[in-house]
Amino acid sequence: DVKVTQSSRYLVKRTGEKVFLECVQDMDHENMFWYRQDPGLGLRLIYFSYDVKMKEKGDIPEGYSVSREKKERFSLILESASTNQTSMYLCASTRGIEDPEAFFGQGTRLTVV
Amino acid sequence: AQTVTQSQPEMSVQEAETVTLSCTYDTSENNYYLFWYKQPPSRQMILVIRQEAYKQQNATENRFSVNFQKAAKSFSLKISDSQLGDTAMYFCAFIGGSNYKLTFGKGTLLTVNP
Repeated sequence: DVKVTQSSRYLVKRTGEKVFLECVQDMDHENMFWYRQDPGLGLRLIYFSYDVKMKEKGDIPEGYSVSREKKERFSLILESASTNQTSMYLCASTRGIEDPEAFFGQGTRLTVV
Repeated sequence: AQTVTQSQPEMSVQEAETVTLSCTYDTSENNYYLFWYKQPPSRQMILVIRQEAYKQQNATENRFSVNFQKAAKSFSLKISDSQLGDTAMYFCAFIGGSNYKLTFGKGTLLTVNP
């Protein structure tokens, strides 16, 4: 089975802190995604990556950056956390456009205080 | 840009009955995929069903089936014989063309009542 693992299920950080959310997949998938999930807004794409060291902005990239140094790992970085970044963050991966089914991590609920 | 619209924020159904969740999308692509994902209270997102746009036949998976109307850009999910375990948030999703971007709707919260 494909496994997508997010480093934390719950996280509490202070305003202004630099926050790293890590995501690892074990099935050699090409594409990886970071979404933010808020009530009434669904899943909004922050960034995605279609290859190592390649990244593209999604719909709401402001305040975030990403890193993909290895194929299996995709990190989301909040350079200076703010209270409006309190949310659920979901990581997903897909094999590629020829097999685009997405597999998800269990989510990280981040609270910024 | 592609968009996915789910017009029903919440729905409820009695156990054993049938319910249909709506989804419409907008795209200029001819080749694409559509998905329904389920997110139960455990938060783990699970694929329910997928449909390739080039296939005319509607996809089915046990109690779950879709009504795919390509010309109308409509992709509804029908759940037959609803069970309490079907209570979840359901998301419609789209990926198409050479674009790697996977776009989701806002979701429909389905509650199955005993």
